[in-house]
Amino acid sequence: KQEVTQIPAALSVPEGENLVLNCSFTDSAIYNLQWFRQDPGKGLTSLLLIQSSQREQTSGRLNASLDKSSGRSTLYIAASQPGDSATYLCAVYRRVIYNQGGKLIFGQGTELSVKP
Amino acid sequence: ETGVTQTPRHLVMGMTNKKSLKCEQHLGHNAMYWYKQSAKKPLELMFVYNFKEQTENNSVPSRFSPECPNSSHLFLHLHTLQPEDSALYLCASSQNQGTGSDTEAFFGQGTRLTVV
Repeated sequence: KQEVTQIPAALSVPEGENLVLNCSFTDSAIYNLQWFRQDPGKGLTSLLLIQSSQREQTSGRLNASLDKSSGRSTLYIAASQPGDSATYLCAVYRRVIYNQGGKLIFGQGTELSVKP
Repeated sequence: ETGVTQTPRHLVMGMTNKKSLKCEQHLGHNAMYWYKQSAKKPLELMFVYNFKEQTENNSVPSRFSPECPNSSHLFLHLHTLQPEDSALYLCASSQNQGTGSDTEAFFGQGTRLTVV
């Protein structure tokens, strides 16, 4: 059974700091890994999708890496800003069987607070 | 705006009521999902629909009944719910490419359900 763990559960940093969020998964037979952001009481906003054949993806100040063999992904946020404060969720696509399509298995998230 | 719209945004219902949640996606995707998000828990997958056919029911109680009339619309019919069913219900969509991988998943803003 695929399990996804995110560390730390909560993080508070001063503005401008570079930071790393960690995600680990137990079954390396994944297809994609996706990072999301969730603001309080809101839905999920997709940040980055890493295909299983890729090792990293970049979007602006965000960089996500994927190491399938070790079951790890990291989300690097450069020069953090107060507007980055949110919960960050990591999700892996379950291995597909019989062309049923994938499903996302989520970690519990890292609650990030960036102080001005 | 993610291309996935959920209504209503908030719902309060009694345990004897019957209500429905609606999800509509404007992305041309062929897979849709219902997730439940309770406080302090990871997102839990409830149902998966591929090409309008239900391909996964994650041991969800029968008081939750999904319906997918076409690939753009997904409903979740609710009846005789319990207070512990109070949560944020999220709808998502993606494109099942038939190669064992889905494209990026997009989520709606969710329906905040309170059962009294």
